[in-house]
Amino acid sequence: QKEVEQNSGPLSVPEGAIASLNCTYSDRGSQSFFWYRQYSGKSPELIMSIYSNGDKEDGRFTAQLNKASQYVSLLIRDSQPSDSATYLCAVGFQKLVFGTGTRLLVSP
Amino acid sequence: EAQVTQNPRYLITVTGKKLTVTCSQNMNHEYMSWYRQDPGLGLRQIYYSMNVEVTDKGDVPEGYKVSRKEKRNFPLILESPSPNQTSLYFCASSRSSGIGGYTFGSGTRLTVV
Repeated sequence: QKEVEQNSGPLSVPEGAIASLNCTYSDRGSQSFFWYRQYSGKSPELIMSIYSNGDKEDGRFTAQLNKASQYVSLLIRDSQPSDSATYLCAVGFQKLVFGTGTRLLVSP
Repeated sequence: EAQVTQNPRYLITVTGKKLTVTCSQNMNHEYMSWYRQDPGLGLRQIYYSMNVEVTDKGDVPEGYKVSRKEKRNFPLILESPSPNQTSLYFCASSRSSGIGGYTFGSGTRLTVV
C-alpha cells in the first residue's frame, strides 16, 4: 500500500511567522508532488506542485523535495490568519495518493 | 470559467435507494477521478478514468459504479447505498494523470440513513 504520511497537527504559529509543513511518502517511483489547501467544508485547492529535487518558490510559498529521503515540505512565509486551513500533501504519478493533512492555525 | 461541477451539493437518502452524483468538467481534461473524504482517513480514491470508455478501480470501489461515455462527464452511481457510504465526495479532473495536479469540484455531502 502506497502511503503518504503527514502530522495531523494542529500546527500553531503566530501571524508573520514561517509555517513548516512536512510529508513523507513510501513509493520511490513517485514523480509528481503537490500541496493542496483545504478550508473547512470546502474542496481542496492546488497551491504548489514540484517534480524535481530542490526548492520551488511561488510568492510566500516554497515547496521542497528530497527524493532520496522521500520527503516533501511546504514553507509558508509571513503566515496570515487566512492561511489557517488543512494542508494536504499528494504524491504519485498516474495516480495521486493523498495524506490525511496537517491542520495549520495562524493566530493574529 | 474553468471548473468541475458536481451535483447535488447535499443529499440525504435512504438505504437501498439508487442515486447518481453527476460530475462535469469544461477544461477538456482527459483524466477524471472520484474521491471520498472521511475524518481521519483523508481522501481515498474510488474510481478513476484515463479517457472516454476507460475506467479503473481506485482504493475503495466497493458499492460504487462509474461510467465515462463523454469526455466531460463522469457520474458516480450508488446502486444500493448503505450508511457506511455516508461521506463527503469529490470529483476531480486533470489534463493528464499526475500532471499539473487536480482541479476539484465543490463536493457532495451524502448522508445515507
